[in-house]
Amino acid sequence: QVQLVESGGGVVQPGRSLRLSCAASGIIFSRYGMHWVRQAPGKGLERVAGISDDGSNKYYADSVKGRFAISRDNSKNTLYLQVNSLRTEDTAVYYCASSLYYYDRSGLSGYWGQGTLVTVSS
Amino acid sequence: EIVLTQSPGTLSLSPGERATLSCRASQSVTSSYLAWYQQKPGQAPRLLIYGASNRATGIPDRFSGSGSGTDFTLTIRRLEPEDFAVYYCQQYGNSATFGPGTKVDIK
Repeated sequence: QVQLVESGGGVVQPGRSLRLSCAASGIIFSRYGMHWVRQAPGKGLERVAGISDDGSNKYYADSVKGRFAISRDNSKNTLYLQVNSLRTEDTAVYYCASSLYYYDRSGLSGYWGQGTLVTVSS
Repeated sequence: EIVLTQSPGTLSLSPGERATLSCRASQSVTSSYLAWYQQKPGQAPRLLIYGASNRATGIPDRFSGSGSGTDFTLTIRRLEPEDFAVYYCQQYGNSATFGPGTKVDIK
């Protein structure tokens, strides 16, 4: 059974940084592309970053390019999102999601964690 | 960037009725890389359909997807009480973008 567990969210002031983590189990983590998808309160879904199975390919939405950095440690079955220079509009639940099948480099998200809330407020 | 439009914004139906949700893309979706997700309040999204018409594992056959190019449809044959939720379409062939969602609520 696939399990993705996010952590690292919280309340942070504008301009500050956080590192979000996603611990994966129940999958051969090193074979799956991974994504971060966020949802602002009462709003829709936005894929903000993605990374290929081996970490060689990365994707960022324009809204976060230059401020967010996605990475992974396949030896620890863990995905990360470093979020810098936070803005109030970055307030959202951040979901970790995996691709549906091995070595998929598209944005299809087959399995999802329960999310971690990031609130940016002074 | 491919922009997705979903209609209607809200669909009010009774259990047992048929639901038809539309997703339209601003340009053709590569290889029918179109997915549908269901999200209930306080929960993460769940993948229902991928490749426009393939049901994900464990998804009941009352859910079906169709379409190609720029026009796609999610049909729920007979609504069950647990189907009242928000539904998002996503194209994943060119980066990945989501539609704004359709809320299916109880009439």
